[in-house]
Amino acid sequence: EVQLVESGGGLVQPGGSLRLSCAASGFTFGSYWMHWVRQAPGKGLVWVSRINSDGGTTYADSVKGRFTISRDNAKNSLYLQMNNLRVDDTAVYYCARGASIDFWGQGTLVTVSS
Amino acid sequence: QSVLTQPPSASGTPGQRVTISCSGSSSNIGSNTVYWYQHLPGTAPKLLIYSNNQRPSGVPDRFSGSKSGTSASLAISGLQSEDEADYYCAAWDDTLNDFRVVFGGGTKLTVL
Repeated sequence: EVQLVESGGGLVQPGGSLRLSCAASGFTFGSYWMHWVRQAPGKGLVWVSRINSDGGTTYADSVKGRFTISRDNAKNSLYLQMNNLRVDDTAVYYCARGASIDFWGQGTLVTVSS
Repeated sequence: QSVLTQPPSASGTPGQRVTISCSGSSSNIGSNTVYWYQHLPGTAPKLLIYSNNQRPSGVPDRFSGSKSGTSASLAISGLQSEDEADYYCAAWDDTLNDFRVVFGGGTKLTVL
């Protein structure tokens, strides 16, 4: 059974940092592109970043230079290092699998507030 | 403001057929395939349609997708109360050869 389990969310002050993790199981993690997608309260889904099987990365303009996506295929894990957080980064963050974004985790809530 | 444009809401009665539209541009829908997702609050989004009109295993054939030019649509026939959810379209966007995913703003479907 495919499972994606996010963790690491919480309350952080503006300008602070947070590292999200996504533990994958039930599939050959290293063979898949992986994504982070977020949903701000009352808003729609917004793509944040993706990482290829070989480590190549792309970011949304809104997070470029502040967020870093990475993966550890040996640990079947995906990460999102978030620095210089802003109030408008407040959202549920989902990790998702593949070029088709065919499977999603349940999400972890990040709240940026003073 | 989302790159792909969807109507904010749609509604229908049980048994009816409803369609949700998704409008994009030549850099996304016009040159790449479209995906559709169903999202219930507090749950993981679920893939309904990939490659414009393909259903993953387990998705009822009441759900169908189509694409023409820079627009796409999701049709739900035989509407059921459990279909009440938010629906999102998505596509890869290759502006400036930098492949990113773009989503629509979402359509809230109400079953009356």
